[in-house]
Amino acid sequence: GQQVMQIPQYQHVQEGEDFTTYCNSSTTLSNIQWYKQRPGGHPVFLIQLVKSGEVKKQKRLTFQFGEAKKNSSLHITATQTTDVGTYFCAANYGGSQGNLIFGKGTKLSVKP
Amino acid sequence: DGGITQSPKYLFRKEGQNVTLSCEQNLNHDAMYWYRQDPGQGLRLIYYSQIVNDFQKGDIAEGYSVSREKKESFPLTVTSAQKNPTAFYLCASSIQALMNTEAFFGQGTRLTVV
Repeated sequence: GQQVMQIPQYQHVQEGEDFTTYCNSSTTLSNIQWYKQRPGGHPVFLIQLVKSGEVKKQKRLTFQFGEAKKNSSLHITATQTTDVGTYFCAANYGGSQGNLIFGKGTKLSVKP
Repeated sequence: DGGITQSPKYLFRKEGQNVTLSCEQNLNHDAMYWYRQDPGQGLRLIYYSQIVNDFQKGDIAEGYSVSREKKESFPLTVTSAQKNPTAFYLCASSIQALMNTEAFFGQGTRLTVV
């Protein structure tokens, strides 16, 4: 089946440092979603990117969708302890199934 | 309150027993999903349903079964055929599978088989 690669698997940062996680697909995506899962919690939807080259911002979070719609990134500026958790991308390849293929996630820890 | 509810939060079962995990949503969503989450593995799709009385296998359906007799409910049965059933199970729903809209997740059920 389809796979989406997400890196890095873990990231440890000092509070105030920036953080970026990347998702890559070998084939073109219909769209991509990003989710955050706090420790002990469940994934919560952050955003969906649909258009080629799209960039969306949510406060300190910046989401990008590549021109070829094969890769995406999530960048957090000046991390805070509240950013701790695992960030997942979820790829949609379109077609009749319409199910999401999740990356393995990037677990972010922030040292105060 | 609108949402998606999974029960129970923790479940313990003896090896060889079937167990059914509950998932109910009152969001009027057509599509529902079951994912399994293991450490370092992300979320893997077990089954999904786009509409009542219809469901499709995901990537790791072996040893699991589902039903979708009502729009609101999508129970998952972990059978004795599942080789390694201990995991965190997440149920999700979305307005329509084909619309690629956001998925809403339940709180999850942590199943431990001893």
